[in-house]
Formats: sequence, C-alpha cells, structure tokens
Amino acid sequence: DVKVTQSSRYLVKRTGEKVFLECVQDMDHENMFWYRQDPGLGLRLIYFSYDVKMKEKGDIPEGYSVSREKKERFSLILESASTNQTSMYLCASSLLGLPKNIQYFGAGTRLSVL
Amino acid sequence: DAKTTQPPSMDCAEGRAANLPCNHSTISGNEYVYWYRQIHSQGPQYIIHGLKNNETNEMASLIITEDRKSSTLILPHATLRDTAVYYCIVRVAEANFGNEKLTFGTGTRLTIIP
Repeated sequence: DVKVTQSSRYLVKRTGEKVFLECVQDMDHENMFWYRQDPGLGLRLIYFSYDVKMKEKGDIPEGYSVSREKKERFSLILESASTNQTSMYLCASSLLGLPKNIQYFGAGTRLSVL
Repeated sequence: DAKTTQPPSMDCAEGRAANLPCNHSTISGNEYVYWYRQIHSQGPQYIIHGLKNNETNEMASLIITEDRKSSTLILPHATLRDTAVYYCIVRVAEANFGNEKLTFGTGTRLTIIP
C-alpha cells in the first residue's frame, strides 16, 4: 500500500526557531512536493523535487528551503519561523513520466508558530 | 488547467448512493478529470480519474458526459467515513516539469447522515 509519512502531526515552535519538517515515501516515487493549506486559500505549492538533490520553487517559496539527499526523503526547512507560517503542511509524492500523475499525500503536519 | 465548478455542500443518507457533480466546460482534449477527497485533519486522498470513458474502482465510479463538460463522482453505498470535502480537478495527465502542482478549488463538503 502506498505510504507517505510525515514526521509529526502537530508541532509548536517559537518565532525565530529553525524548523525541520520531514517526509518519507516508500513507493520509489521520483516527484515529491511540499504544500501548505490555509482556510480560504486552498493548497499552495511551496517547493517540489523531481530527483535527488533537485528542487524547484513553487508558488510561495519565500521563507522556506528544502533538502532531498535521498530519493525517499524530502525535508522542508523554515530557516527562521514566523507567525505567518502557522499552517497545515502537506507532503506528497508521485511517479514521474507516467500518464497517471497521481499524487499521494501524507497525513499533514499542523504547525503553530508562537 | 481548466476551471471546475462544484456545489459547496451536499448531504446524503448513510447507505444511499452519493452523487457529486462537477462542471468543467472549458476542458481540453488532453485533460483528465481527477477526484480527490480530504477527510477532516487529514491529507487529501486520490479517488479516481478518467478521460472520457466511465471508470470504476473499489472506492467509486466516475461518469463523464459525452461532451466531457461535466462529470459525476458516485459513492455507491455511502458510509459515515465518507464525510469529507471532495475536490474535482481537471489537468493534463503527463508530468511535465513545472506543471506538476495540484490546484484544489473549494470542493464539495459531503456530509453523510446516519
């Protein structure tokens, strides 16, 4: 069964802290994504990666960075957390180059920055 | 990606078929219809997709009109666990770089009533 695992369901951090959100998939997918979801704004893409050490900016990359050192793991980094980064963060993965282009999501991490 | 229109909310009695409509009148010939759902406080879950033929899997059926301008997702025997927000998305199926992000609209909030 397809599995995308995010390291934490709930996280509380202080303003200015460096925050790491981890995501692991066990499906050997090439693509991995980080979204944030806010009420009334839907899903917004932060970054995605189509291969190890490759990354592409999404719609809202400011204040975030990512790391993909292994195919199965994609990390989202908040260099200096701010209150406007309080949100639900969703990781997803998909296969590259097939006609299906289906994304599989993790359960999400609800981050609160105080 | 083509724009979609869905009713904001629907109710369905437990055990009955839930029929969720979606309008996508500007759909292009190479665009597929995808359905995802999001149960409260969880990540989105892929349900089904199709191009022009009706499709069925273990979760649902997808009926696409002959002109492809609208579709209906059918949950044949709704249970309380089907209470969720359902998203209809229209997009090309191939994963081209820079074109992978999913854009969720506001969806339909389906409530299954005991």
